[in-house]
Amino acid sequence: QKEVEQNSGPLSVPEGAIASLNCTYSDRGSQSFFWYRQYSGKSPELIMFIYSNGDKEDGRFTAQLNKASQYVSLLIRDSQPSDSATYLCAVIYSGNTPLVFGKGTRLSVIA
Amino acid sequence: NAGVTQTPKFQVLKTGQSMTLQCAQDMNHNSMYWYRQDPGMGLRLIYYSASEGTTDKGEVPNGYNVSRLNKREFSLRLESAAPSQTSVYFCASRVSGDQPQHFGDGTRLSIL
Repeated sequence: QKEVEQNSGPLSVPEGAIASLNCTYSDRGSQSFFWYRQYSGKSPELIMFIYSNGDKEDGRFTAQLNKASQYVSLLIRDSQPSDSATYLCAVIYSGNTPLVFGKGTRLSVIA
Repeated sequence: NAGVTQTPKFQVLKTGQSMTLQCAQDMNHNSMYWYRQDPGMGLRLIYYSASEGTTDKGEVPNGYNVSRLNKREFSLRLESAAPSQTSVYFCASRVSGDQPQHFGDGTRLSIL
């Protein structure tokens, strides 16, 4: 069973702080990793993807991948109340198979 | 560029009624997916179509059927709706391989 695990939260951080969201996955052979943001009542929106070990930065967002530990994380710098949402981690385990999603972590940024 | 378009956006059905949810994408993507999302359950894959002409079951296929009408369109049918199928349904597509999925806005379905 291919699984993606996330802490459901809520994770509460003050405005301006760094929010750190974590995700573990079960198959060491996985190659592709994604972070989606979902606002309440809306559809998931892709915010980051990462394929190689290390860090990938895009504006205030940094995705970190450690394949040896089967761990992927998302850092949000200078968190804003508008970042309050549920963040979904997703993994492609092989080939053209569907993405496997975690259940998401709810982030609340307190002004 | 519309991306992934789902119709209808809202629907209320009575138990036993049938209906078809429509999904169309204009990004020339090969693969398309249907998910349902319920509170505390995350996104659960119902059916998917890896390419035109193929369909496969996902995690929760019972009570649903799908049709990949052409490369653009992938429909989801509830033959005899049950209250347990009350949910938000999302369609998604992706080009192939290691690329991300892109989601439609969802259909909010209530079955009384």
